[in-house]
Amino acid sequence: GIQVEQSPPDLILQEGANSTLRCNFSDSVNNLQWFHQNPWGQLINLFYIPSGTKQNGRLSATTVATERYSLLYISSSQTTDSGVYFCAVDRSNFGNEKLTFGTGTRLTIIP
Amino acid sequence: NAGVTQTPKFRILKIGQSMTLQCAQDMNHNYMYWYRQDPGMGLKLIYYSVGAGITDKGEVPNGYNVSRSTTEDFPLRLELAAPSQTSVYFCASSYSNTEAFFGQGTRLTVV
Repeated sequence: GIQVEQSPPDLILQEGANSTLRCNFSDSVNNLQWFHQNPWGQLINLFYIPSGTKQNGRLSATTVATERYSLLYISSSQTTDSGVYFCAVDRSNFGNEKLTFGTGTRLTIIP
Repeated sequence: NAGVTQTPKFRILKIGQSMTLQCAQDMNHNYMYWYRQDPGMGLKLIYYSVGAGITDKGEVPNGYNVSRSTTEDFPLRLELAAPSQTSVYFCASSYSNTEAFFGQGTRLTVV
């Protein structure tokens, strides 16, 4: 099946810093999503981005499908950004039954 | 708009007991999914459904059963609970291969 690798595995930053999280995948995809799992375990949708660039406030994401990677940018980090960020991909044309998750990047923002 | 609702949020089971995790969505999504997340890991697919009356196995189906009698509901049944089923369970839904939305999770401990 498709392999999803995220880097770095852990990231500790001071409040206000910027960060870039990377997701590499081993095959072409029809679905790519970024999620934030907060310290209470809730999975929050950040971006649905199989290709192109999107922005939402301090967060933005870019997926270069031809080169099989996606980047999540977080600017002016806040303590509420702490948690684990997951990338998930799927090759299917129909549903997400093969939605494969990476192992995540754990982000800790220090006040 | 409630999205995806899971009950219960927490449960402790004794080895050999059975239980049903409930999942309901109000977005009229055709696809529904059950995932489990073990500590420090990404999510793994247990079962999925492409519509009422149709279900299929995911990556880790052993020890679980599902049914889908309506578009809205997708319960997950654990028979003969084992310690290896201690995990956090997430239900999700999507319209075909577009953005998937997750419930808040059920934390299950088998002792």
